[in-house]
Amino acid sequence: EVQLVESGGGLVQPGGSLRLSCAASGFTFSSYEMNWVRQAPGKGLEWVSYISSSGSTIYYADSVKGRFTISRDNAKNSLYLQMNSLRAEDTAVYYCATTVRYDAFDIWGQGTMVTVSS
Amino acid sequence: EIVLTQSPGTLSLSPGERATLSCRASQSVSSSYLAWYQQKPGQAPRLLIYGASSRATGIPDRFSGSGSGTDFTLTISRLEPEDFAVYYCQQYGSSPEYTFGQGTKLEIK
Repeated sequence: EVQLVESGGGLVQPGGSLRLSCAASGFTFSSYEMNWVRQAPGKGLEWVSYISSSGSTIYYADSVKGRFTISRDNAKNSLYLQMNSLRAEDTAVYYCATTVRYDAFDIWGQGTMVTVSS
Repeated sequence: EIVLTQSPGTLSLSPGERATLSCRASQSVSSSYLAWYQQKPGQAPRLLIYGASSRATGIPDRFSGSGSGTDFTLTISRLEPEDFAVYYCQQYGSSPEYTFGQGTKLEIK
């Protein structure tokens, strides 16, 4: 079964850091680009970051550029999001998503909640 | 940056009725790289339509997508109780942006 499982969310103070992980299974992880998408409570979806299958191409939304770092370990079938200088507006459910069968996001994890609050 | 505007914000219909959801882009979406997702409370989004008009595997044929350029439509021909949810459009042809619309909530009338 194709599956993505996020972990690492939690409560963090403003200015703090957190590292999210996304474990992939059921497909050849190293062949597929990956993304992070977030959703603030009661709000819509916001694309956060993209990484190519090899990790050589990376993109970020302007809202997180310079603060978040996406990376992957193809040997461990894992995707990461290092989040630094966190702000209250970064509070959201963070999903990892990929494009296995189609060129749109057809596989999503269940999400992990990040709360930035003092 | 391509901005996607969905309308209406909320659509109130009854089971059995036809739903028409709109997604308008601020610039032309290249090669119809436009997708539609359904999201129910507490769940991750689910891909319905990709390439503006192709249904993803397992999606009932009452869901259809159409459009090109800047104007796209998701149509649900005959609403079932399980179709009441929030729907998002997304453009994914303009790297490095994969922007989403703000969503349309489809609620039971």
